[in-house]
Amino acid sequence: DIQMTQSPSSLSASVGDRVTITCRPSQNIIRGLHWYQQKAGKAPKVLIYATSTLQSGVPARFSGSRSGTDFTLTISSLQPEDFATYYCHQSYSIPWTFGQGTKVEIK
Amino acid sequence: EVQLLESGGGLVQPGGSLRLSCAASGFTFSSFAMTWVRQAPGKGLEWVSTITGGGGSTFYADSVEGRFTISRDNSKSTLYLEMSSLRAEDTAVYYCAKRGEREPFFDYWGQGTLVTVST
Repeated sequence: DIQMTQSPSSLSASVGDRVTITCRPSQNIIRGLHWYQQKAGKAPKVLIYATSTLQSGVPARFSGSRSGTDFTLTISSLQPEDFATYYCHQSYSIPWTFGQGTKVEIK
Repeated sequence: EVQLLESGGGLVQPGGSLRLSCAASGFTFSSFAMTWVRQAPGKGLEWVSTITGGGGSTFYADSVEGRFTISRDNSKSTLYLEMSSLRAEDTAVYYCAKRGEREPFFDYWGQGTLVTVST
């Protein structure tokens, strides 16, 4: 199974801050890395799919990238509505797996 | 507008059974693989099972293999998860999710249904 190590597990940031969340798979994955946002009591919502493709309707302040084996979700300027938990997800091989989540809180 | 509406959750005793349903609308149901993802209280997301659009192939997490059965009725645009031999660790919110158009991610999710396994 591919384990997805997400870091940090939580962070405190202010409105306007640049935020970066990293996901490292335990094995190299060629494709199939996606990012979701989940607010308390709600279903997850996709932000980025296939490493860097912005889902329709998602603000452009969200972006995804890859550097070596690490995948990164960046929020360029944190907004009040962005305080949530973020998950990476690999669909490269079954069993599909998720990172453990990064909770973004207000500083 | 794509909508996914889960139902069937509830309280069940350990060793019991339950069937979840997910009613889909707003897209050609038979054209897309569908998945169940669960989330234990206060925990992260866990992939449970996936079924292809035609229903011919199914995939399961090791944690549910042999106890859960995913199926679909394309004539009713409905996805199912039959759960048996339930354990306390199966307690979770269960979400159904639709495969993306071009990539195997989840572009739409239901609101979730809570399954509680307890005496």
